[in-house]
Amino acid sequence: AQSVSQHNHHVILSEAASLELGCNYSYGGTVNLFWYVQYPGQHLQLLLKYFSGDPLVKGIKGFEAEFIKSKFSFNLRKPSVQWSDTAEYFCAVNGKGNNRLAFGKGNQVVVIP
Amino acid sequence: DAGITQSPRHKVTETGTPVTLRCHQTENHRYMYWYRQDPGHGLRLIHYSYGVKDTDKGEVSDGYSVSRSKTEDFLLTLESATSSQTSVYFCAISPGQGSNQPQHFGDGTRLSIL
Repeated sequence: AQSVSQHNHHVILSEAASLELGCNYSYGGTVNLFWYVQYPGQHLQLLLKYFSGDPLVKGIKGFEAEFIKSKFSFNLRKPSVQWSDTAEYFCAVNGKGNNRLAFGKGNQVVVIP
Repeated sequence: DAGITQSPRHKVTETGTPVTLRCHQTENHRYMYWYRQDPGHGLRLIHYSYGVKDTDKGEVSDGYSVSRSKTEDFLLTLESATSSQTSVYFCAISPGQGSNQPQHFGDGTRLSIL
């Protein structure tokens, strides 16, 4: 079964700072990888996804993530955050051919104006 | 946004009572999921469905049952609610044509068991 670890569960930073959230997964085969964002009081929304090809994936709102297969990692980055990026961020993984997602415990990000 | 409607959006009930949450989709997607979200635990899969009358357990299925009699509706039932089932419940859907399909989530149901 797949599993996901997210580090630095609570992150506080100022506007214009750079953000990087770590995500490591455990699975013995080929995977699909996702980052979801949950703004306060809202449902989860897809930020970006990786299925195959270029390991550097660009998503919405200036976010990107890099898949490093040798490290079983899929870290999320944004060069310059805004107050509106305050949210909880979840990494998720499923094995190819498996429709069940495993989620990490989330990163609570607070951006101070 | 994906056409997913969860009802009710909020519910408060007492321990020992039965509770049913409904997820309705207008996308004709094959797969439907129920998750619970708790602080420090992220999202955990309760049950999922891969077609009408086809369901399977997730990682935290104890105390919950599900039914899917129509493509568009997926019901989650707590037969006898307990305080540990106080949570926010999310429904998700995906086409299920291969695993390369992201799941899309409903707005959630906040359930409090007193």
